[in-house]
Amino acid sequence: GENVEQHPSTLSVQEGDSAVIKCTYSDSASNYFPWYKQELGKRPQLIIDIRSNVGEKKDQRIAVTLNKTAKHFSLHITETQPEDSAVYFCAASTNNDMRFGAGTRLTVKP
Amino acid sequence: DAGVIQSPRHEVTEMGQEVTLRCKPISGHDYLFWYRQTMMRGLELLIYFNNNVPIDDSGMPEDRFSAKMPNASFSTLKIQPSEPRDSAVYFCASSLDLAGAVDTQYFGPGTRLTVL
Repeated sequence: GENVEQHPSTLSVQEGDSAVIKCTYSDSASNYFPWYKQELGKRPQLIIDIRSNVGEKKDQRIAVTLNKTAKHFSLHITETQPEDSAVYFCAASTNNDMRFGAGTRLTVKP
Repeated sequence: DAGVIQSPRHEVTEMGQEVTLRCKPISGHDYLFWYRQTMMRGLELLIYFNNNVPIDDSGMPEDRFSAKMPNASFSTLKIQPSEPRDSAVYFCASSLDLAGAVDTQYFGPGTRLTVL
């Protein structure tokens, strides 16, 4: 089955700096890669996703890149703000299955 | 749509008691997932259903855990008997079936379970 690894487990940046979170997956059949943000005490919520026929996707300060050959994908947050502080989860989906990474706790220091 | 609905939001029980968690997925969604989240183990997939049929229950920790989906709008996760190590937040999520594949998952608010 699919195995998703996520790094780093914790990340601390200064406000205004960029943050990058990386994930690798094992199943080459994976074709959908969402990212979820979970604030303290709340449910995970989708922030951006990418499908296997696309190499990069942007939404304002958030971007995701996908390298299918290397089987890794990354989340990039630019101009970070304190409200970006949360736990971020990547996931990889094949038909009938979706697996999550272990999460990255991002702290943005004002 | 109200989104994924879970009940109760909080449950405190004593060791040995039966606990039943409930979930109502988003109408029209074909997949339903049960997750457990703890500080130590992160977000763990317990079981998921496609069109009310359990597809993968390999994440269910032991026989004390069972899940059912009697119809497209309701699922339960039962723990009997409960133990203190079952204390966690349990999330239910649902998604559409996109050409036979799992699409974006939408999470419920979670049930915070405390077993004393």
